[in-house]
Order: sequence, then structure tokens, then C-alpha cells
Amino acid sequence: EIVLTQSPATLSLSPGERATLSCRASQSVSSSLAWYQQKPGQAPRLLIYDASNRATGIPARFSGGGSGTDFTLTISSLEPEDFAVYYCQQRSIWPPVTFGGGTKVEIK
Amino acid sequence: QVQLVQSGAEVKKPGASVKVSCKASGYTFTDYYIHWVRQAPGQGLEWMGWSNPNNGDTNYAQNFQGRVTMTRDPSISTAYMELSRLRSDDTAVYYCARDLLTRSFWFDPWGQGTLVTVSS
Repeated sequence: EIVLTQSPATLSLSPGERATLSCRASQSVSSSLAWYQQKPGQAPRLLIYDASNRATGIPARFSGGGSGTDFTLTISSLEPEDFAVYYCQQRSIWPPVTFGGGTKVEIK
Repeated sequence: QVQLVQSGAEVKKPGASVKVSCKASGYTFTDYYIHWVRQAPGQGLEWMGWSNPNNGDTNYAQNFQGRVTMTRDPSISTAYMELSRLRSDDTAVYYCARDLLTRSFWFDPWGQGTLVTVSS
């Protein structure tokens, strides 16, 4: 089973700042990685798939990068609605599909 | 628009079973896998498996083998997930999610979630 480790667990930033979230895989997943955003009481929403492709309707301030074992999600300038929990997910080797433990982006 | 609507919250006793439904609309139901993911209170996401609405094929995560059954009824565009021999640690929100693209294993969209509470 591929383990995804996200860091940091919590990121405290102000609106307008840049956010950089990390996801590390226990073995190579090539570019088979996605990012999701989840707000309290809501279902997750797909942001990025295949490491760097934005899903439909996702603003350009969200970008994904990386390949192999190291990936990043960057939010170029935080908007108030971006404060949420973010999860990475791999589909390279399944079962099982696995998720990271999440990074909470909170208002500083 | 593509939408998944799940059944309502359930309260079950330990040892019982629960069946959650997921009704799809806005696309051809048989063209995309349905996945099930759960989230315990305050915890992360755990993939349970997938169901192929076209032919009924399934694949389950090892953690749920023997306790989970995923089925579907194409005539009403609805997928089902049944979990048996419930334990207190099965208390969670259960989500269905569609494949973004055929067999992509990227999940979009998601249902609104169904809270299953297991308590004596």
C-alpha cells in the first residue's frame, strides 16, 4: 500500500499570502496524484488531477506540480474561501487508492 | 449538471447492517465507476472500493473485504453500498463519488455524504 505523507499538518497564513502544501509518496506514483479541498460539513472537491491538471471551474491561483514521490499544491494568493483542509490522493497502485492525512490551511 | 444524491443519516446498533444509496443524474449512469469513500469524525479519507454500474463488477479495499457489498440498479441510476457486522469504529460519513473520466480513479463529483452512527 502506498502511504502519502502531507506536510505541514497545519499552515497558518493571511489572505493574500502564498500557500505551499507538500505530499510525499512512499514509492513512485509517477504523475498519478490528485488534490482535493474540503470545507467543514462539505464533501471534498477535486482541484488537481494527474499532478498538474486543474479540474473544471478551479481558479488559476491553484496549481499542482511534482512527479515520482514529491508533489506540491500551491495557492498563489489566498482568498478567504480557500481556508480549508487539503488532501492528496494517489491512483497509481491500487487497491487500495490512498489519501494523505490532510493539511489544514487556517487564517493567521 | 452531474449530481449524486445520497440517502439520509442512519443510526445502527453494533452487529447490524446499513445500506446507503447514491442516486446519479445528469449523465449516463453506466458510463462511469462509482467509488465509496468514508471519513470518521475528525479524521481523513478512506477509500472502500468501486462498483461498475455497467456490469456490476466490483473491487473492494482489503480492510472491508467480507463486510462490504456494492451493487447498483441501472434502471433508476442508483448505486448502493451495504456494510455488515457494524462496529463502533464504522461511525463515519460515507460518500459516493463518480470517476472524473472513465476508469480515471479521480473522484468528481461527490455525493453530499451519509452519516452512519453505530451505537448501542
